[in-house]
Amino acid sequence: KNQVEQSPQSLIILEGKNCTLQCNYTVSPFSNLRWYKQDTGRGPVSLTIMTFSENTKSNGRYTATLDADTKQSSLHITASQLSDSASYICVVSVPGTASKLTFGTGTRLQVTL
Amino acid sequence: GAVVSQHPSWVICKSGTSVKIECRSLDFQATTMFWYRQFPKQSLMLMATSNEGSKATYEQGVEKDKFLINHASLTLSTLTVTSAHPEDSSFYICSARDLTYTGELFFGEGSRLTVL
Repeated sequence: KNQVEQSPQSLIILEGKNCTLQCNYTVSPFSNLRWYKQDTGRGPVSLTIMTFSENTKSNGRYTATLDADTKQSSLHITASQLSDSASYICVVSVPGTASKLTFGTGTRLQVTL
Repeated sequence: GAVVSQHPSWVICKSGTSVKIECRSLDFQATTMFWYRQFPKQSLMLMATSNEGSKATYEQGVEKDKFLINHASLTLSTLTVTSAHPEDSSFYICSARDLTYTGELFFGEGSRLTVL
């Protein structure tokens, strides 16, 4: 069982609509949780990074939340655009080394007209 | 923000040949770089940690003689896929940690390898 589970696996929404992606993790302890956007055939690009003590962080139309008690995080996208079509990956890191990153399987988002 | 560059972005080779992929940190020094492999519709899987001036640390199940990693300088790590076979076809991504940013990890654009 993956230690970082994301849902839904894929999502199709109309341009302009909002959406929320979920990330549940069992990794413990953890030092921070990251959300990345990965366009097809490209490397991941960082959207947000939150430590265990942070509850929310925004980056433009992207807002991430974190509940360390329930081990859940969400990524909310406001007023979606066609360019938001990508895979969104939740990544949890373990204290001590950046190499110990546990990647979620991602949510593939498609924004359509 | 910091930039990590990979080259080539895509490569097609014949079975049995070796392919080298470069990963460069363009505006920062990285004592540690990481190499990942990603199959279609799957997560990134860490292959190895590349350490400047020392041997790479490989994840379980990754053959070190198959995937040679060299980190000769603070801005360059290379991954060589030796005697490539069709099953090695994948998307290879590197990342580097900028120590001036707290835990920030920057990814390269990835290299698509197709072995015929």
